[in-house]
Amino acid sequence: GNSVTQMEGPVTLSEEAFLTINCTYTATGYPSLFWYVQYPGEGLQLLLKATKADDKGSNKGFEATYRKETTSFHLEKGSVQVSDSAVYFCALSGQAGGTSYGKLTFGQGTILTVHP
Amino acid sequence: EADIYQTPRYLVIGTGKKITLECSQTMGHDKMYWYQQDPGMELHLIHYSYGVNSTEKGDLSSESTVSRIRTEHFPLTLESARPSHTSQYLCASKSSAGLRTDTQYFGPGTRLTVL
Repeated sequence: GNSVTQMEGPVTLSEEAFLTINCTYTATGYPSLFWYVQYPGEGLQLLLKATKADDKGSNKGFEATYRKETTSFHLEKGSVQVSDSAVYFCALSGQAGGTSYGKLTFGQGTILTVHP
Repeated sequence: EADIYQTPRYLVIGTGKKITLECSQTMGHDKMYWYQQDPGMELHLIHYSYGVNSTEKGDLSSESTVSRIRTEHFPLTLESARPSHTSQYLCASKSSAGLRTDTQYFGPGTRLTVL
């Protein structure tokens, strides 16, 4: 079945540092890939997504590239801010026509804390 | 911004009580989902619906039940709450219309504590 593995956390950075959160996946065919963010006490918000190989999703300075050859979708940001402190989830949605289409499979989440 | 609402946001109840967690969306989405988020943050799909009168169990077995009588409404019920049901419950929805509509939109969640 489908699975998503995120790097071990938590991650603690100083403001303006470079961020990478690794994400790899196992799935058949061509899933869609997502990064969601969860701020304290809130639900999940879509941060970015990519729907086919070599697509780059980007939003609010965050980027991730769909790498089919390495089955990865690593999240990066060049300069983090205190307001980026949150939990980040990598997720995939199964290929259209498959039994898992439309259902999200999540990684375990990575807590990011950014200090001033 | 997605319009999906959950009530209550926080609920503390005693063992054995019956509870219903409400979820509503105003976007006309046909697909809706319930996820359980454990204290370790992992998210597990417990129920989903592809339209009115359609409900299916998700990947994680749950003692809760759901109903979908109206498109916009997808309540979750626990007949007899237990401490093991203590968790955060997240509702989500998405549309199947259009091209590659993969994105699920999430509500703010209900944090349930059963004493």
